[in-house]
Amino acid sequence: QSALTQPASVSGSPGQSITISCTGTNSDVGAYNYVSWYQQHPGKAPKLMIYDVSNRPSGVSNRFSGSKSGNTASLTISGLQAEDEADYYCGSDTTSGTRVFGGGTKLTVL
Amino acid sequence: QVQLVESGGGVVQPGRSLRLSCAASGFTFSSYAMHWVRQAPGEGLEWITLISYDASKKFYADSVKGRFTISRDNSKNTLYLQMNSLRAEDTAVYYCAGEDYGQYYMDVWGKGTTVTVSS
Repeated sequence: QSALTQPASVSGSPGQSITISCTGTNSDVGAYNYVSWYQQHPGKAPKLMIYDVSNRPSGVSNRFSGSKSGNTASLTISGLQAEDEADYYCGSDTTSGTRVFGGGTKLTVL
Repeated sequence: QVQLVESGGGVVQPGRSLRLSCAASGFTFSSYAMHWVRQAPGEGLEWITLISYDASKKFYADSVKGRFTISRDNSKNTLYLQMNSLRAEDTAVYYCAGEDYGQYYMDVWGKGTTVTVSS
C-alpha cells in the first residue's frame, strides 16, 4: 500500500498552465480508470476536482482537466488563478479494493 | 444541504481507545460507501478504511489493520471508527468521506475531527 508518487511542488504564473503527475503501479493507477484529484486549501477539507481520470464534477471550472497514460495520471490547470494555490492529491482505487492517495503537490501561483 | 459532521476527537494517551462518529445529512447515506481518511500534521492524506453501503465489505490500510474498526448504522445515518491501541503516529485530523454507489471517488467530505495521541 505505497502512496502514489507526486512532485512535492509545482509553480506557475497567473494565466499559465501547469501539470501535476501522479505515478502508481499496475495495481492501482494502471488497473482501472478510477483516478480522482482533490484540492485542499490550508485548514480546509479536500474537495473533489476530477473523477474517473478526466471527468469534472458540477461546479468545477473547465480550467481543470485530467488524463492518464499507463501507470501515470496527470492533472492540468490552465489559466492559473491566485485561488488555485493549494495542495493537490491524486487518489486511486486498487485491485485489492482499498484506496490510495498520492503524497500531495503544493501549487504556488507566483 | 449535503453534510458530514465528524465528532469524538480529542487528546488520548498511547494505548487507549477512542471512537469517532460521522453524522450524515442531505443525501441517501444508505447508498453511499464511506471512508475514513486522516492527515497527520503537515503531512498528506492517508486513506485508512472503507465500508460498503450495506456494511458487507470492509477494507483497511495496513497501518490500522487489527487496531481500528469501521462500522455504520444506516438507521441513524452515522458512520463510526473505533480506534484501539492508539499510537503517537495516529495523531491526525480524521475526515469521513462518502462515495456514491458504484463510484470510485469521494465526493462528500466532512470538515474533520482532530485526534492527538500523547502522554
